[in-house]
Amino acid sequence: GAVVSQHPSRVICKSGTSVKIECRSLDFQATTMFWYRQFPKKSLMLMATSNEGSKATYEQGVEKDKFLINHASLTLSTLTVTSAHPEDSSFYICSARRERRRGGTDTQYFGPGTRLTVL
Amino acid sequence: QQQVKQSPQSLIVQKGGISIINCAYENTAFDYFPWYQQFPGKGPALLIAIRPDVSEKKEGRFTISFNKSAKQFSLHIMDSQPGDSATYFCAASMLGNEKLTFGTGTRLTIIP
Repeated sequence: GAVVSQHPSRVICKSGTSVKIECRSLDFQATTMFWYRQFPKKSLMLMATSNEGSKATYEQGVEKDKFLINHASLTLSTLTVTSAHPEDSSFYICSARRERRRGGTDTQYFGPGTRLTVL
Repeated sequence: QQQVKQSPQSLIVQKGGISIINCAYENTAFDYFPWYQQFPGKGPALLIAIRPDVSEKKEGRFTISFNKSAKQFSLHIMDSQPGDSATYFCAASMLGNEKLTFGTGTRLTIIP
């Protein structure tokens, strides 16, 4: 199966600092990656769609200046939480879209998630 | 119209039993319906997925049943095992817009 990694898996930072989270597709190229946020015992909330070589598309209500997304290569997307505050504490998960083969279906493969705690 | 409703919220099943989780959608443009399994502190993992051109798909102990007219689909886990205890999410997406719309999740607990 396809493998997606995230780094770091856990980060604790002080309020006001910025945190960068990396998402890598290890064995396939992904022109599209997605960033989600998940609160405890809740479903995944899509934050933005990251497209290689172009600007990310943000969902309604997500601050693009606060959550900076860069998709610089076909295997790497980064999410930077700028000037983090305690309310940004959450579980952040990325996924990478593996494009369909002829007659198949695009599939999203998820990373293991990053637990962000802002003190 | 973009919602995917999932039930039950939590489910307890005895080992060896059948676990059934249901989802319903409104948007008839959805054409891809995956199920994901998530363990605590981990990312979701794709379990099984179905397209609307078939009514059932089976992979090992996992089966998706799909009812296009009712706009419902369900996950059946046969011979449920304690290792199946996890949160399960249904999802849906449409051709040309690969964003997944997730259900609210079902916490499944398999008891000995």
